[in-house]
Amino acid sequence: NAGVMQNPRHLVRRRGQEARLRCSPMKGHSHVYWYRQLPEEGLKFMVYLQKENIIDESGMPKERFSAEFPKEGPSILRIQQVVRGDSAAYFCASSPPDGSNQPQHFGDGTRLSIL
Amino acid sequence: AQSVAQPEDQVNVAEGNPLTVKCTYSVSGNPYLFWYVQYPNRGLQFLLKYITGDNLVKGSYGFEAEFNKSQTSFHLKKPSALVSDSALYFCAVRDARTGGFKTIFGAGTRLFVKA
Repeated sequence: NAGVMQNPRHLVRRRGQEARLRCSPMKGHSHVYWYRQLPEEGLKFMVYLQKENIIDESGMPKERFSAEFPKEGPSILRIQQVVRGDSAAYFCASSPPDGSNQPQHFGDGTRLSIL
Repeated sequence: AQSVAQPEDQVNVAEGNPLTVKCTYSVSGNPYLFWYVQYPNRGLQFLLKYITGDNLVKGSYGFEAEFNKSQTSFHLKKPSALVSDSALYFCAVRDARTGGFKTIFGAGTRLFVKA
């Protein structure tokens, strides 16, 4: 059973470019979560999605950030016009649909560096 | 609103000694509580969870945690620490009352186990 797969593992962008981070959840998981982690800090919730629906995006910045989880294919976290402050590790997690008492399974993250 | 507090940024313990990593939480309803561990350049790994029932829950790698409703705490413990336990530990909570999947993580506690 493959775990949560995130790619790329490392992404370098120049200011003003777009960053696209991909996440394939574990097989059978229909819930996807995105978190941001700054160095030496905890995880900050960004967004929670189910297939084709955004359930909770209360942690997403109002501008430049968007997320989707289409019917087919991976979940995508998109950051437009990146700035230096977007440099961080972005983690995706997934969980099964059978109850909110299940733990989340995490990918190994995408480390985004903005030049 | 849900919240989690990990009052210690860092815990130092000698190998072979017992360890405790503290966590307190706040939710409107009953909590679902989780502990995760993060090693360098990796995603979070699930250690254990409390959903209902016995207040003492056992998890991976010899870790256990005690749910204390009156003190709203869920401290992580291990009777005898190993150097390989050195990592970043996160406590997390969900509100069972809302039936939702949104998980709030604490800021993390870095554990150093000295040989």
